[in-house]
Amino acid sequence: EPEVTQTPSHQVTQMGQEVILRCVPISNHLYFYWYRQILGQKVEFLVSFYNNEISEKSEIFDDQFSVERPDGSNFTLKIRSTKLEDSAMYFCASSLGAGARNNEQFFGPGTRLTVL
Amino acid sequence: KQEVTQIPAALSVPEGENLVLNCSFTDSAIYNLQWFRQDPGKGLTSLLLIQSSQREQTSGRLNASLDKSSGRSTLYIAASQPGDSATYLCAVAAYSGAGSYQLTFGKGTKLSVIP
Repeated sequence: EPEVTQTPSHQVTQMGQEVILRCVPISNHLYFYWYRQILGQKVEFLVSFYNNEISEKSEIFDDQFSVERPDGSNFTLKIRSTKLEDSAMYFCASSLGAGARNNEQFFGPGTRLTVL
Repeated sequence: KQEVTQIPAALSVPEGENLVLNCSFTDSAIYNLQWFRQDPGKGLTSLLLIQSSQREQTSGRLNASLDKSSGRSTLYIAASQPGDSATYLCAVAAYSGAGSYQLTFGKGTKLSVIP
């Protein structure tokens, strides 16, 4: 069964460093998302992406964050200068398309980001 | 702003018992509602999706209902098993532009099924 994959599973970085989290969505899906979950808290929406553009972003997704689909398969989240409070599990998700029957979101296993 | 609440926060039941998890949301203008399962330190597994026009959805021992007007959903698990132990998350979808849907999550119900 097709699934969303994410790499790395765990990333440790120093405060102020740049990190890139990678995702491979399900191959025929057209809509891509990033969410994060700080330990013990709710899963929070960061950004949605379609047709090589951001569709929507939350207030969390400030200028330090960016997303890119560099090729036909990968979808990346970059944090330019990490802060301690960026430590969280980051989930990538994808959905097939628009419309009521196609917008079920499928999640990857997550990347645990630890900022020291 | 949409708020999603799940009650109870934790639940412990003996194996074989039927149980109900509750989810409520403040804004009834949703497009669908998804129930997920999350194992410790792991990703989210989609269990059921209910479209806003539906009242109920079933998959195996799971049955989810949706009452959009009252802002409530329930997840019914029949004949619980120790393997059902996990955190169950409810998420509602709102349209966020260009065909994409933003999910707002509850904090989850942590279920423990005791053998």
